[in-house]
Amino acid sequence: DIQMTQSPSTLSASVGDRVTITCRASQSISTWLAWYQQKPGKAPKLLIYEASSLESGIPSRFSGSGSGTEFTLTISSLQPDDFATYYCQQYHYYYSFGQGTKLEIK
Amino acid sequence: EVQLVESGGGLVLPGGSLRLSCAASGFTFTNYWMSWVRQSPGKGLEWLANIKRDGSEQYYVDSLRGRFTISRDNAKNAVFLQLNSLRAEDTAVYYCARGIGIYTIYFDSWGQGTLVTVSS
Repeated sequence: DIQMTQSPSTLSASVGDRVTITCRASQSISTWLAWYQQKPGKAPKLLIYEASSLESGIPSRFSGSGSGTEFTLTISSLQPDDFATYYCQQYHYYYSFGQGTKLEIK
Repeated sequence: EVQLVESGGGLVLPGGSLRLSCAASGFTFTNYWMSWVRQSPGKGLEWLANIKRDGSEQYYVDSLRGRFTISRDNAKNAVFLQLNSLRAEDTAVYYCARGIGIYTIYFDSWGQGTLVTVSS
């Protein structure tokens, strides 16, 4: 199984901040990585696929990078709607998700 | 607009069974793989199963050990998950998701989920 580890587990930030979330895979997954945003009581929403491709309709302040085993999701200027939980997911070999990063208002 | 609407969840006794359904609309159903993913407080997000566009191939997470079965009815634009021999640890919100990709698929649309509670 491929294990996905996100850091930090919780991140406190303010509107306008630039934030970065890291995701590490236990083995190389090339660029087969997606990022999702989830708000309480809602389904996950796709933000980024193939490590750095922005899903249609997602604001350009979201960006992804990385390959192999280390990946990052960056939000360039936090907006009030961005406070949520973020998950990475590998789809190189079957599927596995990170444990999530909760982005809180400071 | 892509819509996925799950149903069939509820309270079930340990050892019992449930059949979850997911009704799809707003896209050409036969062009996409479909999947089930669950989320519980203890285990986070967990992929369960995929089914190919024509239903000819199914893939499962190893830990299910044959207890769950995915199927689809392309005439009705629906995907199903049969849950058997349910255990307390199967308590979760179950999501269906649409799979997209060429060499490997990821999930670009999700339903709102249906809650399954396994308890006596």
